[in-house]
Amino acid sequence: EPEVTQTPSHQVTQMGQEVILRCVPISNHLYFYWYRQILGQKVEFLVSFYNNEISEKSEIFDDQFSVERPDGSNFTLKIRSTKLEDSAMYFCASRKDTPETYEQYFGPGTRLTVT
Amino acid sequence: AQSVAQPEDQVNVAEGNPLTVKCTYSVSGNPYLFWYVQYPNRGLQFLLKYITGDNLVKGSYGFEAEFNKSQTSFHLKKPSALVSDSALYFCAVRDRGYQKVTFGIGTKLQVIP
Repeated sequence: EPEVTQTPSHQVTQMGQEVILRCVPISNHLYFYWYRQILGQKVEFLVSFYNNEISEKSEIFDDQFSVERPDGSNFTLKIRSTKLEDSAMYFCASRKDTPETYEQYFGPGTRLTVT
Repeated sequence: AQSVAQPEDQVNVAEGNPLTVKCTYSVSGNPYLFWYVQYPNRGLQFLLKYITGDNLVKGSYGFEAEFNKSQTSFHLKKPSALVSDSALYFCAVRDRGYQKVTFGIGTKLQVIP
């Protein structure tokens, strides 16, 4: 069964550095998402992406963050000038664009540690 | 604004007994409701959804959930728990017309042999 994959599984970076988290959504899916989960807290929506543009974003998703689909398979989240509070598990998700399919399928996550 | 409440941090149930994991939601419009399960070091795995129609929906691994509009609840149930069901369960809601999915804090299910 097709799965969403994410790399790396764990990323350690120093405060102020830029990081890029990578995701390969399921191949016939057209909506893409990023969520994050700070340790012990809820899974929080960051952004949705459709037809090569952001369709919705949360208040968390400020100018520090950007998303891109650089080719036909990858979907990336870039965090510029990381802060300690960016340490979290970041999940990528995707879903089909059909009326019958409302659920999102999640990757295993990338644990980001900012030191 | 939309929100989800999972009132129990942990639910313990004996193997073979029925289980219920509670969820209530708040959304301004009509909701799409979901349950996801997370095993250690894994992503969120989709279990089931309510979109419209029958209030009782069936999903993967024998799980089902009942949508109750008047009580704004969407409790997850299973008639007979397995030890392998032990995991973290998340209830989630999405308002129609929006992409954002809001998750509950999660409930840890422990099935005791």
